[in-house]
Amino acid sequence: DQQVKQNSPSLSVQEGRISILNCDYTNSMFDYFLWYKKYPAEGPTFLISISSIKDKNEDGRFTVFLNKSAKHLSLHIVPSQPGDSAVYFCAARRPGTYKYIFGTGTRLKVLA
Amino acid sequence: NAGVTQTPKFQVLKTGQSMTLQCAQDMNHNSMYWYRQDPGMGLRLIYYSASEGTTDKGEVPNGYNVSRLNKREFSLRLESAAPSQTSVYFCASSSGRTQETQYFGPGTRLLVL
Repeated sequence: DQQVKQNSPSLSVQEGRISILNCDYTNSMFDYFLWYKKYPAEGPTFLISISSIKDKNEDGRFTVFLNKSAKHLSLHIVPSQPGDSAVYFCAARRPGTYKYIFGTGTRLKVLA
Repeated sequence: NAGVTQTPKFQVLKTGQSMTLQCAQDMNHNSMYWYRQDPGMGLRLIYYSASEGTTDKGEVPNGYNVSRLNKREFSLRLESAAPSQTSVYFCASSSGRTQETQYFGPGTRLLVL
């Protein structure tokens, strides 16, 4: 039972355009969400987070949107750059724990 | 400041062999985690340690044991390796506060033949 889903295994975007990565979850009790970026042969690196009490969080070119009624999370990257090419994971936290459930990842390729 | 370090980077084992994956962090974090990443499965939590002296099971603990040796170090042991344990293993740490991010090591690629 996959509680956190990233239904698009891959995404290609032209440099300078917007990249939108999506994440759906099933447990309405999740209270904190993270996005990680992962390059090959490296560990995931933290990108941006959002609490369930907010619907938007921005950090430079990265914005995360949370739609609690739809149980949907999205990451917007504007403008996209070739260095953004990586696998992106979303993760959701079970309330009152340190346990995160990760999605399966979306491979983003930004074309120069 | 090395962050989270893992050894070894790569290991090949035969079925039934044992080994210990080492993890250390220098960020004075309270919480540490072990994940495995398999194709199409994302990262799955094996074990975690909320603080020194405590450990708890994650989603996929069977076949593994852990030791929180001190605040810095958290090891993962495979007592009798099986081909199903072929995976990439990541260690992570976090401060342990209410809302915090986890910082990951570079991973250990394990192949069990």
